[in-house]
Amino acid sequence: SAVISQKPSRDICQRGTSLTIQCQVDSQVTMMFWYRQQPGQSLTLIATANQGSEATYESGFVIDKFPISRPNLTFSTLTVSNMSPEDSSIYLCSVAEQRDYNEQFFGPGTRLTVL
Amino acid sequence: QKEVEQNSGPLSVPEGAIASLNCTYSDRGSQSFFWYRQYSGKSPELIMFIYSNGDKEDGRFTAQLNKASQYVSLLIRDSQPSDSATYLCAVVPPGGYNKLIFGAGTRLAVHP
Repeated sequence: SAVISQKPSRDICQRGTSLTIQCQVDSQVTMMFWYRQQPGQSLTLIATANQGSEATYESGFVIDKFPISRPNLTFSTLTVSNMSPEDSSIYLCSVAEQRDYNEQFFGPGTRLTVL
Repeated sequence: QKEVEQNSGPLSVPEGAIASLNCTYSDRGSQSFFWYRQYSGKSPELIMFIYSNGDKEDGRFTAQLNKASQYVSLLIRDSQPSDSATYLCAVVPPGGYNKLIFGAGTRLAVHP
């Protein structure tokens, strides 16, 4: 499977600021996704990052709060905008190939704390 | 009703025993089913997936799917302390293509 890296691995930010998280894959992949895992919770899909077009957001997530870019088949960014303490979470990117059963593989995650 | 339900545990089993982890899902048309293992402080790691009724075996792991009853399970044979982790069940809903809906996870503790 592809090797996935994320930057930063963790950060502590002040409320009202924004943080951009990068996801880099060592090979071209068809699909990239962004998930959030709040403390003690399971994973929730934020959006599908579409190469060359706007991301597809899940219910409860909006582009103004979580702008996403995907300029090519190996890289994507997620920005968490105007942060509040409720945004403190682990943010994970995942990748999948366009196959029948679309196994998704996760990056190491970015642990974000908002003060 | 949650879309994917798991018992949060902890499920405690002795070393060498079989651990049985269960997951139910609400959408009957769900297509494929995944089991992930997540160690504390780490990201989820794919163990296996299953898409047709019956059993699928991979080493010490067996996934079982019963679409009529809308449940999927994971059996871990010869459990080891290193299997202690949270196990996440994920489901692709009808028309969901690549969207994964995760359960809350079951914490497994294997004691020597």
